[in-house]
Amino acid sequence: ETGVTQTPRHLVMGMTNKKSLKCEQHLGHNAMYWYKQSAKKPLELMFVYNFKEQTENNSVPSRFSPECPNSSHLFLHLHTLQPEDSALYLCASSQDLGTGHYEQYFGPGTRLTVT
Amino acid sequence: GQQVMQIPQYQHVQEGEDFTTYCNSSTTLSNIQWYKQRPGGHPVFLIQLVKSGEVKKQKRLTFQFGEAKKNSSLHITATQTTDVGTYFCVRHGSGNTGKLIFGQGTTLQVKP
Repeated sequence: ETGVTQTPRHLVMGMTNKKSLKCEQHLGHNAMYWYKQSAKKPLELMFVYNFKEQTENNSVPSRFSPECPNSSHLFLHLHTLQPEDSALYLCASSQDLGTGHYEQYFGPGTRLTVT
Repeated sequence: GQQVMQIPQYQHVQEGEDFTTYCNSSTTLSNIQWYKQRPGGHPVFLIQLVKSGEVKKQKRLTFQFGEAKKNSSLHITATQTTDVGTYFCVRHGSGNTGKLIFGQGTTLQVKP
C-alpha cells in the first residue's frame, strides 16, 4: 500500500452516464494528480492540483471535470464519455511542487470501461 | 518534444541473466526518475538521479545518469521472476508544475 486509495477499482458506464472517481491520500501531501493509462500510449498526465489549486490541465476534454476540495481528496467527474476513454485512471500525490521532492506515489487505479 | 525515448520496448530474459534498459532525451534533463509497474499494478517510484554521471545502486539494480544529462540506464544483475514488469524513465516538464513525462517503458519478462 502506498497511502493512496482509489474508488471504485472497476467501473463500467454507458456513454450517457455520469459517474465520479475518488482518490484519497494519507501521506500529508499537498499535490495531487490524475493520469490516464491506455493500452497503447504512455502514461498521460491529465490534471495537477497543488494546495487545492489547479496548476495543470493537459488539454483534457471537458467531459472530464476534476475537483479538489482539500489536499487529501481528489475527484474526477465523468459525463458523456466515449468508448476511447476506456482506460486505467491513476491518481498520484507528491509532497508539493516547489521543494524538489517530486517523487509521486500512485494509487491502484480505476479501470474504466465505457460501453 | 519533451518525450523521453526508451529502448528496448520489450525484453525477454532467462532468470539469472542480466537486463538493461536505456532512456534518451534530445534535451538536457534537470533530473530523471525511474518507476516500476508490475502487471496489473500501478507505477512505483524507484529512484531519482540529479547529478551528471551519477550512479546509484539498489541491491541488484544499478541506475546511471549520463555525463551530459541526456540519457540514463537501469541495469538489473541476475534477474529474478520478481523483476517482471514495466520500467519507466520519467522526466519533469518545464517549470515547477509537477508534470511528469513518462517514456513508453520497457516491459521485462523473466522466464524461470
